[in-house]
This record gives sequence, structure tokens and C-alpha cells, in this order.
Amino acid sequence: DTAVSQTPKYLVTQMGNDKSIKCEQNLGHDTMYWYKQDSKKFLKIMFSYNNKELIINETVPNRFSPKSPDKAHLNLHINSLELGDSAVYFCASSPRLRQNEQYFGPGTRLTVT
Amino acid sequence: GENVEQHPSTLSVQEGDSAVIKCTYSDSASNYFPWYKQELGKRPQLIIDIRSNVGEKKDQRIAVTLNKTAKHFSLHITETQPEDSAVYFCAASSGSSNTGKLIFGQGTTLQVKP
Repeated sequence: DTAVSQTPKYLVTQMGNDKSIKCEQNLGHDTMYWYKQDSKKFLKIMFSYNNKELIINETVPNRFSPKSPDKAHLNLHINSLELGDSAVYFCASSPRLRQNEQYFGPGTRLTVT
Repeated sequence: GENVEQHPSTLSVQEGDSAVIKCTYSDSASNYFPWYKQELGKRPQLIIDIRSNVGEKKDQRIAVTLNKTAKHFSLHITETQPEDSAVYFCAASSGSSNTGKLIFGQGTTLQVKP
């Protein structure tokens, strides 16, 4: 059984479009995260939610908007896509807010042309 | 600000040799230090972690040591095998924010030559 899953795995789109990435975890965890991994492999936190409450909101453009309909799901919507948004986006989850072990999803490779 | 420095950026060893990757962190309130392994095209996978009340932890061929005074921690892999080839990331918890936030190092590409 997949613990943390993301869809789609690959996303190719043109500049200016709006797209969403979905994440689901079946681990019963309270906390979920979005990370961006750039071409140099650097992993940077973008957002986190704990029981549907926004906890971490790093300095990302407001074109990025996370949404958590319930604690098992955390989606990422991106408006007006730009070339620099091309990256791999990872979702992750951890059991509780301050229990730091994080388990990553398979990633979504976003390519903006 | 919060920062984690990781060295070396690339490491090449012969199969059977040991590999050591080192990280330093800036936030003295950090109390959790995980290590992740990321194979090409795959997700980062948690391989070992250590908390600030422990100086060393071992799991088969991998071990992690922590020196809180010097604010550095290291990953040790013994008897390396070709399947150990991957990118390894260290991370440190953001102790001051208490939000579960992890600050990642820049990664080390480990190549184990058969």
C-alpha cells in the first residue's frame, strides 16, 4: 500500500497556465508538507499543514496556494505558471507537528515550457 | 538565519570502503537530525535519525554521530556497496520555530565503484 501518494507524477504545461498537484497520505499522520526540489537537488520547504491548519508558509510567490480539505490530503495549486517553477515537488507527512520524522511522496516533476 | 552546510558535495569510494558525510548547523535550538537517501528519480527516504539527547546511533552499516557543542553531525557508512550510490541529505530541525520544519543540507552524491 502506498503511504504518501501524489498525482500526477509528471506535468508538462505552458507558461501562464494554472495547474494543481494532489497529495494523499494513508498513514494517519497529522502534518503534511510541500517541498520544492530544484535542478541542483536542493530541497526547500514551501508549506506545511497540521490538521488542516496552515503552519509553515515560507517565502514563496502568492501564485502558489496550498489547500487541505482534510488531514489526509494536501493539494498545491499554482497560478500563472512561470519557467522558474519547473522543478520536482514533493509532498511529505509526519505523525504529529513536533514529531519530526517526515515521509516523502514519489514527487511530481513539473516542466513549464 | 537557519542554515545547514553539508560536505563533501560529491564522494567516490571503492566498494567495501567506508564513506563519511559531514554537516554543520547554525540553530543551537535544533534537536532532531535526520538523514535521507535519494536514488535517481526517486523520493528522499529516511535512513537514520538522531535526537539531541543522544551522541551516536547505529543501524547495521550506517551510523550517525552528533556533537552538539560543535554543532555538527556526521553519517558513516561502512562496507559500502554499489546500491549505496545515491544522493544523501542531512537535515536539522528548526528548533526556534517549533513547527516541525526541517532545514536540509545541499546534498552529497555518493558513488560506490564496484
